[in-house]
Amino acid sequence: EAQVTQNPRYLITVTGKKLTVTCSQNMNHEYMSWYRQDPGLGLRQIYYSMNVEVTDKGDVPEGYKVSRKEKRNFPLILESPSPNQTSLYFCASSPGGLAAFNEQFFGPGTRLTVL
Amino acid sequence: SQQGEEDPQALSIQEGENATMNCSYKTSINNLQWYRQNSGRGLVHLILIRSNEREKHSGRLRVTLDTSKKSSSLLITASRAADTASYFCATDADNYGQNFVFGPGTRLSVLP
Repeated sequence: EAQVTQNPRYLITVTGKKLTVTCSQNMNHEYMSWYRQDPGLGLRQIYYSMNVEVTDKGDVPEGYKVSRKEKRNFPLILESPSPNQTSLYFCASSPGGLAAFNEQFFGPGTRLTVL
Repeated sequence: SQQGEEDPQALSIQEGENATMNCSYKTSINNLQWYRQNSGRGLVHLILIRSNEREKHSGRLRVTLDTSKKSSSLLITASRAADTASYFCATDADNYGQNFVFGPGTRLSVLP
């Protein structure tokens, strides 16, 4: 089944404890992206990647890191999480290198709470 | 900065009625997309309309695009309880198709 998977789905952690949220897609898509969703703000793009070893900042990259060593994986790293990073996170992928020209396929989301 | 803004923020209708949601954006775009999100779950793509298109249909969905007014509308005809969800418009913010921006969404409730 074609899908985007994220792990973990739920995570409660404490301030400053490094964490990684994994994202994997099995559709051979070039484009991958991370978003965070907060009430009243919709989805905001954190980072995106047009292909392997190519990443760029979205609207809210501060406090996050990403890497794209393989086409299928796009992990989101929070080196020192803070409470303002408590949010619902979505990973998405899209065929081609440009998100605007193709539909994006979303993962189920990761609900992160930073205490 | 948010490129797309949906209107209204919330909409409540009876089953069988039509629902119309609007989206406005600020800069020129390549394409505009609409997505649906059931409560707390991942978004599902509904329709993509290109900047040189004015109207597009998919089943009970009708999307219009007016680039002169920088606005789009999503019409859901003969709504069903299962259409209850949040609806988002999304566009590229930088005209290169990379940086993707969603609006805050319209929360649609379809009452049986």
